[in-house]
Amino acid sequence: KNEVEQSPQNLTAQEGEFITINCSYSVGISALHWLQQHPGGGIVSLFMLSSGKKKHGRLIATINIQEKHSSLHITASHPRDSAVYICAADFISNFGNEKLTFGTGTRLTIIP
Amino acid sequence: GAVVSQHPSWVICKSGTSVKIECRSLDFQATTMFWYRQFPKQSLMLMATSNEGSKATYEQGVEKDKFLINHASLTLSTLTVTSAHPEDSSFYICSAREKRFRLRYGYTFGSGTRLTVV
Repeated sequence: KNEVEQSPQNLTAQEGEFITINCSYSVGISALHWLQQHPGGGIVSLFMLSSGKKKHGRLIATINIQEKHSSLHITASHPRDSAVYICAADFISNFGNEKLTFGTGTRLTIIP
Repeated sequence: GAVVSQHPSWVICKSGTSVKIECRSLDFQATTMFWYRQFPKQSLMLMATSNEGSKATYEQGVEKDKFLINHASLTLSTLTVTSAHPEDSSFYICSAREKRFRLRYGYTFGSGTRLTVV
């Protein structure tokens, strides 16, 4: 069964702290996506990963294919990072009918 | 980068009327468009998948006669909520898929439409 689990559900941290959000998935994937949803509702695609590590500014995403696990890290967190972060998987079993399977999201609040 | 323009961003309509939401891919061809619904503090729920030039595939439990999807061109998909009722009030968001690498797809999301039916 294609499942994506994400933790924690909620995370509150002080400005400047290092943030880690975790994502586990059940079976083989062609790609793992990290998305950011701001309070207004719009969704931004942050990363698309199939192996290794990617970095964009203060955001780092890693994936371990063998362990079926991915992490999103935020360095030097800032109040503007407050948003819901969503992990989503493109499962290989959906080949020919590709669609994302979403985690439940992590609501991140950074306090000044 | 890829941009999907979604309109309107919010709409208030009377019960019984129909509302059309548009999603347009601005600088790429979206062969597939996904339509999602999201309730407050919940994850995205896939309603239907539409491929250009063919009928949309609806998820189980989604009424195809109520949520009409048209994907007439590679850059435009529309969702029409027909005979809207207050329980249709929700946040609707589209996502366009483009092939980036072999077997790997990139997804670009619209900004969403907040529908309120009164």
